[in-house]
Amino acid sequence: DAKTTQPPSMDCAEGRAANLPCNHSTISGNEYVYWYRQIHSQGPQYIIHGLKNNETNEMASLIITEDRKSSTLILPHATLRDTAVYYCIVRSPNTGNQFYFGTGTSLTVIP
Amino acid sequence: GAVVSQHPSWVICKSGTSVKIECRSLDFQATTMFWYRQFPKQSLMLMATSNEGSKATYEQGVEKDKFLINHASLTLSTLTVTSAHPEDSSFYICSAKDRNQNYGYTFGSGTRLTVV
Repeated sequence: DAKTTQPPSMDCAEGRAANLPCNHSTISGNEYVYWYRQIHSQGPQYIIHGLKNNETNEMASLIITEDRKSSTLILPHATLRDTAVYYCIVRSPNTGNQFYFGTGTSLTVIP
Repeated sequence: GAVVSQHPSWVICKSGTSVKIECRSLDFQATTMFWYRQFPKQSLMLMATSNEGSKATYEQGVEKDKFLINHASLTLSTLTVTSAHPEDSSFYICSAKDRNQNYGYTFGSGTRLTVV
């Protein structure tokens, strides 16, 4: 699976949009981009995933660049409850189904 | 949505004893479950892939005789930490995939193991 690079930490003001970047320059054609988050001492929570088109759900939006080498997770109106570690994972459906986690971005939403 | 239940949520045990952690898919069947370990301020590390009715597949460096995995049914996988030592103290998390869902995996809430 392709390696991802994320900034180790970010701050965001409450109510503002949080934009979390992820670089995956070695992504291959059949690999999806997944985003999970982990609130302290809990299991990871699925947020969103995509292949090449931008995606939106009730939690977030995922913007994938045209060359697919990077993506951005957008939390449109961050709340204090969004403080968590966000993991960007690139994964092919053909690699035994495992998810390998990188170091993620620790997002702190500030009141 | 799919729910994965882990039990216990925390456990304290004495060095040399064994501890069993259960992972259940509550409203779906999971032919495959995964076990992760997470040390403080670190990311999740995949330990093994648990397949229903067959032997688990362990990641490199994970001792299969120390971390026994049993996936006896489509809704239950167990991880037994045998002869636990303080260095095994960690946060253990399982995950499973609902084969009727396309979006990925559901994770349990984790088990905090402390070996004293």
